[in-house]
Amino acid sequence: QKEVEQNSGPLSVPEGAIASLNCTYSDRGSQSFFWYRQYSGKSPELIMFIYSNGDKEDGRFTAQLNKASQYVSLLIRDSQPSDSATYLCAVNPGREAGKSTFGDGTTLTVKP
Amino acid sequence: DVKVTQSSRYLVKRTGEKVFLECVQDMDHENMFWYRQDPGLGLRLIYFSYDVKMKEKGDIPEGYSVSREKKERFSLILESASTNQTSMYLCASSLRTSLSSYEQYFGPGTRLTVT
Repeated sequence: QKEVEQNSGPLSVPEGAIASLNCTYSDRGSQSFFWYRQYSGKSPELIMFIYSNGDKEDGRFTAQLNKASQYVSLLIRDSQPSDSATYLCAVNPGREAGKSTFGDGTTLTVKP
Repeated sequence: DVKVTQSSRYLVKRTGEKVFLECVQDMDHENMFWYRQDPGLGLRLIYFSYDVKMKEKGDIPEGYSVSREKKERFSLILESASTNQTSMYLCASSLRTSLSSYEQYFGPGTRLTVT
């Protein structure tokens, strides 16, 4: 079992729809969780982080964390073609300061 | 803005050559990381460093070494390049202040081709 698993893509949604990206992790002691966006040919950039159970909203993006279920998700509302990218989930176990484990990513395509 | 720079965007080397990839960050971050990214395999950690002169092996350290003589600079060394080291190499840095952060800032990447 992989330490961080993301729903297999690719994911395609129409413009204006809600895109839902999911991630599960195996280390129950994990403490902080990140979503990175990576455009084709570019390096990853952080879009959200969350460390408390519940929802965290930033503009059109909402991160959701459920530590009991070991599950973190990213919702993108009013999806735009510019949101088309690969989204990487990263989990920090807290034992080794700063070291994160990354999922393989989910590729999202938003169709006009 | 945090800035992480890498010495080359594209690099072509021959099998057996010694290769140096340099990474510099300008935000006084304690942590620095080297990853490689390959299609279908995701981001894989090669080495990381928590402080000057400190290094820890990641998931795939074989065939690589690192050097961190100054806080802002983290170098990845391929002692004898092989074709299976053809990849995109990404450097990242992060703070080491509290468990609630540790977000990583990535450099632009170096696409290395070994022929």
